[in-house]
Amino acid sequence: DQQVKQNSPSLSVQEGRISILNCDYTNSMFDYFLWYKKYPAEGPTFLISISSIKDKNEDGRFTVFLNKSAKHLSLHIVPSQPGDSAVYFCANRGSKTSYDKVIFGPGTSLSVIP
Amino acid sequence: DGGITQSPKYLFRKEGQNVTLSCEQNLNHDAMYWYRQDPGQGLRLIYYSQIVNDFQKGDIAEGYSVSREKKESFPLTVTSAQKNPTAFYLCASSPGTSGTQETQYFGPGTRLLVL
Repeated sequence: DQQVKQNSPSLSVQEGRISILNCDYTNSMFDYFLWYKKYPAEGPTFLISISSIKDKNEDGRFTVFLNKSAKHLSLHIVPSQPGDSAVYFCANRGSKTSYDKVIFGPGTSLSVIP
Repeated sequence: DGGITQSPKYLFRKEGQNVTLSCEQNLNHDAMYWYRQDPGQGLRLIYYSQIVNDFQKGDIAEGYSVSREKKESFPLTVTSAQKNPTAFYLCASSPGTSGTQETQYFGPGTRLLVL
């Protein structure tokens, strides 16, 4: 059964420091992962993705690392800013197409303290 | 201004009542989706549609129905058969091509509450 786990429901970080959000997966059908950011009462917005041909993808302050052997990925935000406070969802696409079986983790709530 | 709109923002349902949540997109996307979010859980797929007049059940389709008569619109009906409808409902769309870089774009959500 394909699963995406985010074992930390919440995380607090001081402004300017690094935030590290972790995600583990099992039985991935396709090694393509996405991170979404969600503010309260809003829809998630796409943040960054990574595929199995890479072990790192960087976009500004956001970097995602993929460790295929450990079935683990992490999102690094540096430096963290108060506006980064949101819930972050890790997701695994189950196939090459975007429909069918995008599995979302339960989310990690990040609080960046000014 | 392209995007996905969902209405209403809040919706109240009485016992035994069917309610319909609206989702409209002007992104010219072929694929559309409905998800449900419950506290402490990830998004769970209810239904998805790859093209007009076609849709498929997701993981938790029981108690829900959809239609896709127009490319821009994918309404979700929460029927009286859905025993635990209180949740945050999210609609999403994607271009629908087979590119691996494709991502889903989400609407702002509708919160459904049972009276």
